[in-house]
Amino acid sequence: QQPVQSPQAVILREGEDAVINCSSSKALYSVHWYRQKHGEAPVFLMILLKGGEQKGHEKISASFNEKKQQSSLYLTASQLSYSGTYFCGTEISSGDYKLSFGAGTTVTVRA
Amino acid sequence: DTGVSQNPRHKITKRGQNVTFRCDPISEHNRLYWYRQTLGQGPEFLTYFQNEAQLEKSRLLSDRFSAERPKGSFSTLEIQRTEQGDSAMYLCASSSDGVSTDTQYFGPGTRLTVL
Repeated sequence: QQPVQSPQAVILREGEDAVINCSSSKALYSVHWYRQKHGEAPVFLMILLKGGEQKGHEKISASFNEKKQQSSLYLTASQLSYSGTYFCGTEISSGDYKLSFGAGTTVTVRA
Repeated sequence: DTGVSQNPRHKITKRGQNVTFRCDPISEHNRLYWYRQTLGQGPEFLTYFQNEAQLEKSRLLSDRFSAERPKGSFSTLEIQRTEQGDSAMYLCASSSDGVSTDTQYFGPGTRLTVL
């Protein structure tokens, strides 16, 4: 069953922050975050493993709350290049490998 | 280090025709995945290979779809007797053994339009 992402879309001005949530009805082993620009391949951002660690990639970071079966992606001081659709992909157990993706959150950053 | 490549990038076909797509993974990646993405949705898992072995197929994958990965290198995805509902972007991804899990790197996709 695919995870649920919220919000569906967000519009930001440069320098503003945003949070994207990814929730699952099943216990998760890992959460993989990708960004996809129109007509391009999804680009890997980061992986979070069961254990609740927080990771960062430039000014983009994420957390994973096992108990809530939820991951959040934080866009800090957004830049124009952050525009795109963000997907979370979830893995149910170690060695599962296949990912179930949410429907995506479209982020538009305006100057 | 080249990324995942897919050919063709675009394919337009008539309903009922067969089509075949090719994916070349990142060199030495032992796992290869096929996903399908429709407009406004995230990628949907179809199947994956570890080396030349096809380890899992989605229950949603009809018998008209078949995938191969001879010699554990490139892979092909064939769709027989195409239907309009098959129109989508077909994405390939590859990964290598990770410590805890794999990072999947996606190719640019093949956009299929069935008329």
